[in-house]
Amino acid sequence: DTAVSQTPKYLVTQMGNDKSIKCEQNLGHDTMYWYKQDSKKFLKIMFSYNNKELIINETVPNRFSPKSPDKAHLNLHINSLELGDSAVYFCASSQDISTGGAGWQFFGPGTRLTVL
Amino acid sequence: LAKTTQPISMDSYEGQEVNITCSHNNIATNDYITWYQQFPSQGPRFIIQGYKTKVTNEVASLFIPADRKSSTLSLPRVSLSDTAVYYCLVGEYAAGNKLTFGGGTRVLVKP
Repeated sequence: DTAVSQTPKYLVTQMGNDKSIKCEQNLGHDTMYWYKQDSKKFLKIMFSYNNKELIINETVPNRFSPKSPDKAHLNLHINSLELGDSAVYFCASSQDISTGGAGWQFFGPGTRLTVL
Repeated sequence: LAKTTQPISMDSYEGQEVNITCSHNNIATNDYITWYQQFPSQGPRFIIQGYKTKVTNEVASLFIPADRKSSTLSLPRVSLSDTAVYYCLVGEYAAGNKLTFGGGTRVLVKP
């Protein structure tokens, strides 16, 4: 069974469109994250939710809106897509049972978004 | 967050031990040291985490000196499939704290 899954794996779309990426984890973790990996391979945190509550919101354009319907799901909706949004987006989760616990995160396979 | 510095790349050969040293001079008292591995077209994968001294699991060992200003990830007897990017991260990983990834070290294992 896949621990952290994302759909779709590839997403090709035109500028100006709205798209969503879905993430699900079956690990029973409390916290979920979205990361963006750009063409230079740097991974940057975008959002983090703990038990459906937003706890980290980095400097991300308002066009990006995370939604957590329940503890096992964290979806990312992107409005008015721009060329610069092209990247690989990773979902992750962690179980924060003790200090240091959030350092052990499980990542999904990634969604490669290409904006034309 | 403590800044980390690690080599950009390293080459090795199958069967050798690979040691990657990460510098984190400004590590704070509550910070942990965590290493991740990322293969092309995959998400990062947790390898090992430690606070001080030595930690060993089935994949790697992590050596942390007493001053904790650096750490060394040791991969015993690497194989071609260990070719990947290895990231050293330092942070106080309380609930929801973010992971801050640097550039990582690209390890190429040659036959």
